[in-house]
Amino acid sequence: ETVMTQSPATLSVSPGERATLSCRASQSVSSNLAWYQQKPGQAPRVLIYGASTRATGVPARFSGSGSGTEFTLTISSLQSEDFAVYYCQHYNNWPLRITFGQGTRLEIK
Amino acid sequence: QVQLQESGPGLVKPSETLSLTCTVSGDSLSSYYWSWIRQPPGKGLEWIGYIYYNGDSDYDPSVKSRVTLSVDTSKNQFSLMLSSVTAADTAVYFCARLTTEADDYNNYHYVMDVWGQGTTVTVSS
Repeated sequence: ETVMTQSPATLSVSPGERATLSCRASQSVSSNLAWYQQKPGQAPRVLIYGASTRATGVPARFSGSGSGTEFTLTISSLQSEDFAVYYCQHYNNWPLRITFGQGTRLEIK
Repeated sequence: QVQLQESGPGLVKPSETLSLTCTVSGDSLSSYYWSWIRQPPGKGLEWIGYIYYNGDSDYDPSVKSRVTLSVDTSKNQFSLMLSSVTAADTAVYFCARLTTEADDYNNYHYVMDVWGQGTTVTVSS
């Protein structure tokens, strides 16, 4: 079983600044990695899949990078609506298994 | 526009079976995978399993012995049954569409692109 570990648990950043969130896999997951954003009381929303491809409608300030075991989600200039919890998620092709990281809370500094 | 809506009892007694249904509107169940995910209070997301429109399914090993997923294409619904529940099963339960999307290199990836709003289930006597 692949374990996904996110860091830090909480990140405090000022609006307009850059935020960098990390996700590490316990073994190589190639580029089978997605990032989701969840705001309080809402369902998650996919931001990035394939480690670096933005989902439809996601602003260009969100970018993903990495492959293998180390991944990064970068938000280039934080807007007020970006403060939320972010999860990385890995899937295994066959059998199909989905595993989430424990989440990073992005809060206003 | 595809929409998913979870429904079912908000309170289940310990040792009983939790049953939830996800109704899909704006799209057919066909040609997609459909997933259940849960989120215990104040905690992260836990994937439960998936079902294909033809009934093929698989589950996370942590709940596999207690979970059954089913699909009703005539009603455009899919369902979750979780048996022998305990307080640890208290959570918000989400249903989601699991599709495949091509990345910038034309490799395909599983993505949960449409989610229901979630329904809270409390296990308590």
